[in-house]
Formats: sequence, C-alpha cells, structure tokens
Amino acid sequence: AQSVTQPDIHITVSEGASLELRCNYSYGATPYLFWYVQSPGQGLQLLLKYFSGDTLVQGIKGFEAEFKRSQSSFNLRKPSVHWSDAAEYFCAVGAYNQGGKLIFGQGTELSVKP
Amino acid sequence: KAGVTQTPRYLIKTRGQQVTLSCSPISGHRSVSWYQQTPGQGLQFLFEYFSETQRNKGNFPGRFSGRQFSNSRSEMNVSTLELGDSALYLCASSLGLQPQETQYFGPGTRLLVL
Repeated sequence: AQSVTQPDIHITVSEGASLELRCNYSYGATPYLFWYVQSPGQGLQLLLKYFSGDTLVQGIKGFEAEFKRSQSSFNLRKPSVHWSDAAEYFCAVGAYNQGGKLIFGQGTELSVKP
Repeated sequence: KAGVTQTPRYLIKTRGQQVTLSCSPISGHRSVSWYQQTPGQGLQFLFEYFSETQRNKGNFPGRFSGRQFSNSRSEMNVSTLELGDSALYLCASSLGLQPQETQYFGPGTRLLVL
C-alpha cells in the first residue's frame, strides 16, 4: 500500500530565503506524485506533479520538485519565498490502478517571517 | 470556466442526524472524488465516482455513502452523525480516471456535529 510522509509539521522561513519541504513516499512501482497547497479556508491547489520523464518538475508560483527514486523522495523547493507563500503544503501519491485516489501526507505548515 | 463548487459551505448538525453534501464538478469533468480532512487524521480518501458508478472506495464505515448523477454532479451522505464526523469535506473533479490527471478541488463543506 502507498504511504506518504512529510517529516516537518511546521517550518518558518524568512521572506526571500530559500525553501525546501520534504516528502518521502512508499510505493512498489513508479508513483504518481503531487504537491498541493492549501490556504486558510480554501480548497487545495495543485502546484506540480510528476509521473514520468524529467525528474525535475516545474510548477506554478515558482515552485519546483525533484523526484529521487533511490531516496523515495519528492521534495518541493522554491529559491525565494514570498509572504504570500504562507500556507499548508501537502504531498500526495497516486497509483496506476487506483484511478484518481490520492494518499496524502500529513502536511507541512509554512510560516514566513518578514 | 467555473471551478468546482460545493454546497453548503458550512453546516451544523447534531449527533444522530444525517447530512447530504453536494459537489458540482468543472464542466466536462466526469470523475468526482471526495475527501475528509480533520486535524487528527489529515486528508483521507472517501470514494470516487465516474459515469455514475463508484470506482474506488476508502476505508470509511457504511454510514458514508455517495452517488453521482448523469450530469456528473455528486452528493455524499453521512447518516447517524457522530461527533468525530466533524470535518472539512472536500470534493475534487478530473476529466477521467487516469492517475496522472489533475484533480481540481472545491473549497469544501465544513461540517460541525454537536
């Protein structure tokens, strides 16, 4: 069965600093990996996804993520954080035989210091 | 194009009652999934519907049920409400059942059970 671990429950970074949010997954085959962001009172918005090809994927709002099969990781990065990036970030995994079902990590809450 | 809409946005019920939540997918999308989000359990998959058929089901008791109509709109029902059913219920739609397809989430229905 698939599982997703986001080791960091809460992270605080200064505005303009770089950001890396960690995600580790467990799945026997090539996973379908996603990063979503959720602002307070909102639904989830897709930042980026990976299912094949180039292991470095670019997303919206300046985010990127790198798939590392050897480490079972799909970490999210941003070179320079803006105050508006403060939100909760979720990593999720899907599987080829599970339709649209996603298994989510517990989320990482990002705070941005001015 | 309008996004995923969910009604009502907020709901207060008492234990033992039942509730019906509604989800209207993005026009042209035929797959609808439901998720429960709580602080303790995070985001958990409830079920997925495609062409009026349930295609996938999460690990929830039979009190949780759903259906999809011919216009792809979906409803979920929770009977005999328990305090633990208090949560944000999110609906997501996608074009089809392929796991790499982007799922678009609605703003959610926040249910409080007293």
